[in-house]
Amino acid sequence: QQQVKQSPQSLIVQKGGISIINCAYENTAFDYFPWYQQFPGKGPALLIAIRPDVSEKKEGRFTISFNKSAKQFSLHIMDSQPGDSATYFCAARGLDSNYQLIWGAGTKLIIKP
Amino acid sequence: NAGVTQTPKFQVLKTGQSMTLQCAQDMNHNSMYWYRQDPGMGLRLIYYSASEGTTDKGEVPNGYNVSRLNKREFSLRLESAAPSQTSVYFCASSSRDPFYTGELFFGEGSRLTVL
Repeated sequence: QQQVKQSPQSLIVQKGGISIINCAYENTAFDYFPWYQQFPGKGPALLIAIRPDVSEKKEGRFTISFNKSAKQFSLHIMDSQPGDSATYFCAARGLDSNYQLIWGAGTKLIIKP
Repeated sequence: NAGVTQTPKFQVLKTGQSMTLQCAQDMNHNSMYWYRQDPGMGLRLIYYSASEGTTDKGEVPNGYNVSRLNKREFSLRLESAAPSQTSVYFCASSSRDPFYTGELFFGEGSRLTVL
């Protein structure tokens, strides 16, 4: 079974700090790496995504860094705000699994005011 | 904008009972999905439907059946509920071919407890 390993499981960051969540994958047949944000009682929502031909993608305070050789990608949240407190999921789309998204286990992020 | 609507939001079943989770989307999307979310396990795909009239198994289809009733509606049925099916179930939809863009639009979830 293909896996996407996400760490840490939980993270507490002071307001204004940088939040970093990491994901690692084993299968090289992944071609699309989205991050989803989920607030309590809600469904996940797409936050930002990257393809493996790009090493970094930035949207506002959110940046994905992608290291193809290490099979790792990470989400950086700059100037973290209390409103960023949520659970974050990384995922990878598998070319050899009928394009199904394989999900990380999630990271619960708490931003302390 | 309703987006993806799931019913019921909460349900408690006894082992062996059956039930159907309903999902409807108003975004004219072709593809629809059912996921389950368990603590520490992320989301796991149960079934998906690329278009009206087609359904395919995902990662964890055992114990479930689905029906793509029309373009808007995709239901998930548990024929004989088991405690292992206690979970939060999410319906999602996407506008393109399955997983083409990876962008899924999720409902707010249905929390199911099987005693």
